[in-house]
Amino acid sequence: EPEVTQTPSHQVTQMGQEVILRCVPISNHLYFYWYRQILGQKVEFLVSFYNNEISEKSEIFDDQFSVERPDGSNFTLKIRSTKLEDSAMYFCASSADRGSDQPQHFGDGTRLSIL
Amino acid sequence: SQQGEEDPQALSIQEGENATMNCSYKTSINNLQWYRQNSGRGLVHLILIRSNEREKHSGRLRVTLDTSKKSSSLLITASRAADTASYFCAWMDSSYKLIFGSGTRLLVRP
Repeated sequence: EPEVTQTPSHQVTQMGQEVILRCVPISNHLYFYWYRQILGQKVEFLVSFYNNEISEKSEIFDDQFSVERPDGSNFTLKIRSTKLEDSAMYFCASSADRGSDQPQHFGDGTRLSIL
Repeated sequence: SQQGEEDPQALSIQEGENATMNCSYKTSINNLQWYRQNSGRGLVHLILIRSNEREKHSGRLRVTLDTSKKSSSLLITASRAADTASYFCAWMDSSYKLIFGSGTRLLVRP
């Protein structure tokens, strides 16, 4: 069964450094998402992306965050200058469509640790 | 806040028993989805129920949805030790993003 894959599985970065998290969505999917889960807390929506544009973003997704689909397969999340509070599990998801019967399929996540 | 709640926060049952988890939400929804998360792993999609549906089955899973009460429940019948995980409801709002509940940690004792 097709899967969403994310790399790396764990990223350790010094505070203030830039980090890029990578995702390969399911190949025929058109809608892409990033969510994050701070340890012990709820999964939170960050951003949705369609047709090479951000569709919606949350308050968390400030100017330090950006997303890109650099080619036909990858979908990346960049954090420009990381802060301690960016430490979390980051999940990429994709869906074939946005209809009411379309599930979002998630990757295994990247655990980001900011030192 | 658009967040809702799940209860119980934690549930411990014996293998073979049924497990019921409840979810309440606050906004209007397109659909409601249930996900499972094993410790430190990703979110595995279990089942989706549309806003115009009241009940749905998939294998040992049964989901109900009551839009008048803004609530849903997930029933796992004949539980197995391998069902041990955290279970999250997530509702899709009018802008098609998922809003997750706080989750239920299920422990199935062999």
